[in-house]
Amino acid sequence: AQSVAQPEDQVNVAEGNPLTVKCTYSVSGNPYLFWYVQYPNRGLQFLLKYITGDNLVKGSYGFEAEFNKSQTSFHLKKPSALVSDSALYFCAVTPPDSWGKLQFGAGTQVVVTP
Amino acid sequence: EPEVTQTPSHQVTQMGQEVILRCVPISNHLYFYWYRQILGQKVEFLVSFYNNEISEKSEIFDDQFSVERPDGSNFTLKIRSTKLEDSAMYFCASSERTGGGYTFGSGTRLTVV
Repeated sequence: AQSVAQPEDQVNVAEGNPLTVKCTYSVSGNPYLFWYVQYPNRGLQFLLKYITGDNLVKGSYGFEAEFNKSQTSFHLKKPSALVSDSALYFCAVTPPDSWGKLQFGAGTQVVVTP
Repeated sequence: EPEVTQTPSHQVTQMGQEVILRCVPISNHLYFYWYRQILGQKVEFLVSFYNNEISEKSEIFDDQFSVERPDGSNFTLKIRSTKLEDSAMYFCASSERTGGGYTFGSGTRLTVV
C-alpha cells in the first residue's frame, strides 16, 4: 500500500533563512510526487510536481523539491523564506497506475517569523 | 489563471438530508475528482471520474455517495442521507491528463447537525 509521511507537524523558520519541509513516501514503481500549499480558508494550491526526468524540480513562488529515489524522499525547499510563506504544506503521491488517487501526507505547518 | 469553482462555500444540513455539492472544473480538463478533509485530518481521496464514469473510488465512497456530470460544465457530488461524520471540507479537482497538475477548488465546508 502506498503511504506518505511528513515527519514534522510544524516547522519554524526566521524570514530570510532557508526553509525545508520533509516528505518521504512508500509506493511501488515510479510514483508521481506533488507539493500543495493551503492557506487558511482556501483550497489546495499546486506548487510543483515530479513525474520523471531531472531530480530537482522548480515550482511556484521560488520553491523547489528534490526527488531522491534511494531515500524515497521528496523534500520541499526554499532558499529564503518569506513571512507570506506561512501556511500548511502537503506532500502527495500517486502511483502511475492509479492516476488521480492522490495520497496526501498529514501536512506540515510552516511558520515564518519576521 | 483558470480556476476550479465550488459552490456553496459553506453548507449546513440536518442529519439524514440529501446534499449536492457543485463544482465547475477547468473547461479543457477531462479528469475530475472529489476529495475530503475532516477537520484536523488528512486530505482523503473519494472518487475519480473520466469519460462520464467513475474510474476509481475509495472505501469512503459508499452507496450514500454519487457523482454526476449533468452537463458540459458541472461536476456534482451527492450525499443521499448525511451523517454527522460527513462533516468535512470537500474539495473538487480536475486535471487535463493523468499525471498532470491537479487543480483544486477552494472547497465546500459541509456541516451536518
